[in-house]
Amino acid sequence: GIQVEQSPPDLILQEGANSTLRCNFSDSVNNLQWFHQNPWGQLINLFYIPSGTKQNGRLSATTVATERYSLLYISSSQTTDSGVYFCAVLLLDGNNRLAFGKGNQVVVIP
Amino acid sequence: SAVISQKPSRDICQRGTSLTIQCQVDSQVTMMFWYRQQPGQSLTLIATANQGSEATYESGFVIDKFPISRPNLTFSTLTVSNMSPEDSSIYLCSAGGRGITGELFFGEGSRLTVL
Repeated sequence: GIQVEQSPPDLILQEGANSTLRCNFSDSVNNLQWFHQNPWGQLINLFYIPSGTKQNGRLSATTVATERYSLLYISSSQTTDSGVYFCAVLLLDGNNRLAFGKGNQVVVIP
Repeated sequence: SAVISQKPSRDICQRGTSLTIQCQVDSQVTMMFWYRQQPGQSLTLIATANQGSEATYESGFVIDKFPISRPNLTFSTLTVSNMSPEDSSIYLCSAGGRGITGELFFGEGSRLTVL
C-alpha cells in the first residue's frame, strides 16, 4: 500500500519561532489534507491541498504532487500550536479513504 | 464543512463488555468512516460505513468485533465488542462527500479505556 512519511517526528520550538513539517508519499494520490490534533484528541482540519499553496493565518501549506510531497509551515509559533500534525492522503481507489502518516509531535515552549 | 458529533466523548469500560459509539453529522454526507487511534499512534481505518448495507472492513478488522450500522445519511454507530485492554483507544468518526475532491472531516473522538 501507499506509504506516507512525515518528518521530523518530534519538534520542540521556542515560542515565536518558525518551522517546516514535511510529508512524503510513495504514490500518486487524489488529494492531501493536513490536520492538527490537539491535546484533547480532537482532529482539526487545517488544509485540503491537492497541489499549490494555501495560507491560513500563521499557517501555510504547499503540495507538489508531481514530486509527491507536501510542506506545512508554522510561523511565529504559539503554545496553542502544540500537538500532533497529521498528513493524510486520499487513495486513488475512488472510495475516499484516507491513509495517514505517523504525525509530527510539536511542542511549543514559552 | 461538516460538523460531526460523537457520543460518548470518553468512557471507562470493564473487560468483556461492549460499548456503542454514536456519530451524528449535521448534513447529509455520502461517505462515513470509523478510525481507531491507539495510544501514541496514528489513525488506522477500521471500516467504511455504508448506508443501508453492511460496512466494508479493512484488513485486520472484522464485523463480529466492530459491528457498524448506518441507517441513514447522517448517522452511524460503531460497537466495540467483548472489549479487552488492547481496545483502549480513541475511536473517530469521519464524514465527507464522495469523489476525488471530497474533503473529510472528523468528530471529536471517543476515548475508551478498558480495565
